[in-house]
Amino acid sequence: DAGVTQSPTHLIKTRGQQVTLRCSPKSGHDTVSWYQQALGQGPQFIFQYYEEEERQRGNFPDRFSGHQFPNYSSELNVNALLLGDSALYLCASSLGAGGTDTQYFGPGTRLTVL
Amino acid sequence: AQSVSQHNHHVILSEAASLELGCNYSYGGTVNLFWYVQYPGQHLQLLLKYFSGDPLVKGIKGFEAEFIKSKFSFNLRKPSVQWSDTAEYFCAVNYNFNKFYFGSGTKLNVKP
Repeated sequence: DAGVTQSPTHLIKTRGQQVTLRCSPKSGHDTVSWYQQALGQGPQFIFQYYEEEERQRGNFPDRFSGHQFPNYSSELNVNALLLGDSALYLCASSLGAGGTDTQYFGPGTRLTVL
Repeated sequence: AQSVSQHNHHVILSEAASLELGCNYSYGGTVNLFWYVQYPGQHLQLLLKYFSGDPLVKGIKGFEAEFIKSKFSFNLRKPSVQWSDTAEYFCAVNYNFNKFYFGSGTKLNVKP
């Protein structure tokens, strides 16, 4: 049973560029959440997708957008990259979008913005 | 705004010592509470969770946590730590079946 997978593992971009990160949820899971984890900090909630719609959103600007596909996989897009966007981006999947569901985390994508 | 605080950023213990990691959260309505652990080189994984019932919850590997509503706390405990418990521990809170908030984490180093 494959867990949550994310691609790519590492990414280097320059300021102003755009980036797309990808996530495949654990088998049987229908909900995907994205988090940003800066160095030395805990994960910060970006948004959650369920039934191909954004259900919840954290305090992130509109430069951060996402998508969920019919097979429940998801993409995170960040436009007009800033140096401060450098972080580990985590994807978590769960069965259901309720607050009691256990989230299973992927290994993350390390984004470096130069 | 909702927030989660973990006051101990780095804890060093010897094997067999008892562990208690603090977690406090701000008021924000209905809460569901979690502790996650990240072992070196591994993904975040769930240790335990609480959303109703007995405020003392037991998780994997001998960990437990107590929800004290009046203190807005959900502290993690283990009576006797092992070297293999060396990891980073994160407290997380879900408010009103809505957004998740994580604390900044506590790095635990257990000396053999």
